[in-house]
Amino acid sequence: GAVVSQHPSWVICKSGTSVKIECRSLDFQATTMFWYRQFPKQSLMLMATSNEGSKATYEQGVEKDKFLINHASLTLSTLTVTSAHPEDSSFYICSARHAGQDNSPLHFGNGTRLTVT
Amino acid sequence: GESVGLHLPTLSVQEGDNSIINCAYSNSASDYFIWYKQESGKGPQFIIDIRSNMDKRQGQRVTVLLNKTVKHLSLQIAATQPGDSAVYFCAENMIGGFKTIFGAGTRLFVKA
Repeated sequence: GAVVSQHPSWVICKSGTSVKIECRSLDFQATTMFWYRQFPKQSLMLMATSNEGSKATYEQGVEKDKFLINHASLTLSTLTVTSAHPEDSSFYICSARHAGQDNSPLHFGNGTRLTVT
Repeated sequence: GESVGLHLPTLSVQEGDNSIINCAYSNSASDYFIWYKQESGKGPQFIIDIRSNMDKRQGQRVTVLLNKTVKHLSLQIAATQPGDSAVYFCAENMIGGFKTIFGAGTRLFVKA
């Protein structure tokens, strides 16, 4: 199997604080992980590509200083939402695929529901 | 029938009937396509995929059809069951790329 674990599954934080979300590939190595955001009743929007050992690549319109991504090992990527505001409230989902298998399905974590009060 | 909701179109089918979910993809340079199923509060789950050198692929109870001429993808679910109720997304990868871009989803509602 290919299991991606995401933690926490939900978090509530106050405006102005930062929140870190972890994404782990449990039984495979992933040189690349992907972070998506999903608003209610909408599709998944790719935010950034997390690259092991190098800088993340952000999609147009995504602020890199607000959404800090670190991919320190082949099995862990973290997304930190800095100075969170209510409009950052969303469902954040990470995904990964086996290293070297670009055209293969992504394996998704179960998402993190972020609520900023 | 099929209707457009506030954001996601909805397809309502009777249990046991076949379901057909359609998707128009955006990039003619895409060469790999995937269907995902997303249940409430969870991440997407892989259903079936197809490469651009094929026009049909079958899995267990599911079939994906690809029409590159009109950039159209469809997912057919045979003998739809209540457990199939979920939101279904098509997704695409571009040639030489590894990013997966999601299309608009369709909510499938199965009536018992």
